[in-house]
Amino acid sequence: AQKITQTQPGMFVQEKEAVTLDCTYDTSDQSYGLFWYKQPSSGEMIFLIYQGSYDEQNATEGRYSLNFQKARKSANLVISASQLGDSAMYFCAMREGRGGSNYKLTFGKGTLLTVNP
Amino acid sequence: SAVISQKPSRDICQRGTSLTIQCQVDSQVTMMFWYRQQPGQSLTLIATANQGSEATYESGFVIDKFPISRPNLTFSTLTVSNMSPEDSSIYLCSAAGPGRNEQYFGPGTRLTVT
Repeated sequence: AQKITQTQPGMFVQEKEAVTLDCTYDTSDQSYGLFWYKQPSSGEMIFLIYQGSYDEQNATEGRYSLNFQKARKSANLVISASQLGDSAMYFCAMREGRGGSNYKLTFGKGTLLTVNP
Repeated sequence: SAVISQKPSRDICQRGTSLTIQCQVDSQVTMMFWYRQQPGQSLTLIATANQGSEATYESGFVIDKFPISRPNLTFSTLTVSNMSPEDSSIYLCSAAGPGRNEQYFGPGTRLTVT
């Protein structure tokens, strides 16, 4: 079974509108972390936002917010006021386990976001 | 946040040759990783680079094909050996720590094997 599922291969949004990118995850661990990355056509992976499984509030970073619904095992990324520069591939990733040095990430297949002028 | 650099940024290599990719982090980090991203695909972890000891490889990746070194806390190398066109990918170095919510990537090395 996939640990990270991103069901939207592609999304379109009008400039200045908000968009939600879906991510569901599967883990039996109580302690885990969820990450979102942006990958423009240049190929670099840009860290956007992080949500820990024990964090009570949804994470926010500027125009990015994470809609964390633990019972549903979903961690959707919300981008407000979309800009043309937001056009990129977006990846959801999960790190499982607690303690020690278990930092490795499992990635979803990604969602290609296109912002239209 | 950690700043990660990789060299080379891209290369075109002949089948059967090897390429070594370097990764440098500007601060001491707990963990370093190497990921592969095949064309149009997501990222797959190759291995965890352990300081001063052998890397820990994920299923499907072996040391003979992808030897990794990490001589200190801020530097690692990945070698892609005996390359074939199937090795054409972006190879990304990642560093994590000291906080568990910090994990950053280098700019990637875009490898084409002809």
